[in-house]
Amino acid sequence: EPEVTQTPSHQVTQMGQEVILRCVPISNHLYFYWYRQILGQKVEFLVSFYNNEISEKSEIFDDQFSVERPDGSNFTLKIRSTKLEDSAMYFCASSDSSGRLQETQYFGPGTRLLVL
Amino acid sequence: AQKITQTQPGMFVQEKEAVTLDCTYDTSDQSYGLFWYKQPSSGEMIFLIYQGSYDEQNATEGRYSLNFQKARKSANLVISASQRGDSAMYFCAMRNQAGTALIFGKGTTLSVSS
Repeated sequence: EPEVTQTPSHQVTQMGQEVILRCVPISNHLYFYWYRQILGQKVEFLVSFYNNEISEKSEIFDDQFSVERPDGSNFTLKIRSTKLEDSAMYFCASSDSSGRLQETQYFGPGTRLLVL
Repeated sequence: AQKITQTQPGMFVQEKEAVTLDCTYDTSDQSYGLFWYKQPSSGEMIFLIYQGSYDEQNATEGRYSLNFQKARKSANLVISASQRGDSAMYFCAMRNQAGTALIFGKGTTLSVSS
């Protein structure tokens, strides 16, 4: 069964450093998402992406964040200058459309980011 | 603004028993979708079941069913015949027709004992 994959599974970085989290969505999917989950808290939406553009973003997704689809398979989240509060599990998700309400977003296994 | 409320931080159930995990939601939209995801201790998010606001019948998916009461704005997940492998965190989520974002509740931890 096709699945979303994410690399790395864990990332430790120093405050102020840039990190890039990578995702390979399900191959025929067209919509891509990033969510984050601070330890012990709820999952929060960051951004959705379609046709090489951001479709929607939350207040969390400020200028420190950017997303890119550098090729036909990868989808990346870049945090330009990490802060301690960026420590969280970051989930990538994909769906094959977004127009239908019932369109399921399939999540990857997550990247656990720790900022020291 | 949309909001999902899960009031049960933890639930405990014996194997083979049924359990209901509560979810209430708030939205001014007429068209929306409700989802349940399971998060085992390994951390991944697994889609379980979907219910649309215009669906007349409650959704079912194997041992999972959704008790959808639109007037009360509730979408409770019912797990029948609980198994040890059901022990996990369960999240209720919603999205509306206009948006792409899933809005999640805080989750309920389910523990199934033998």
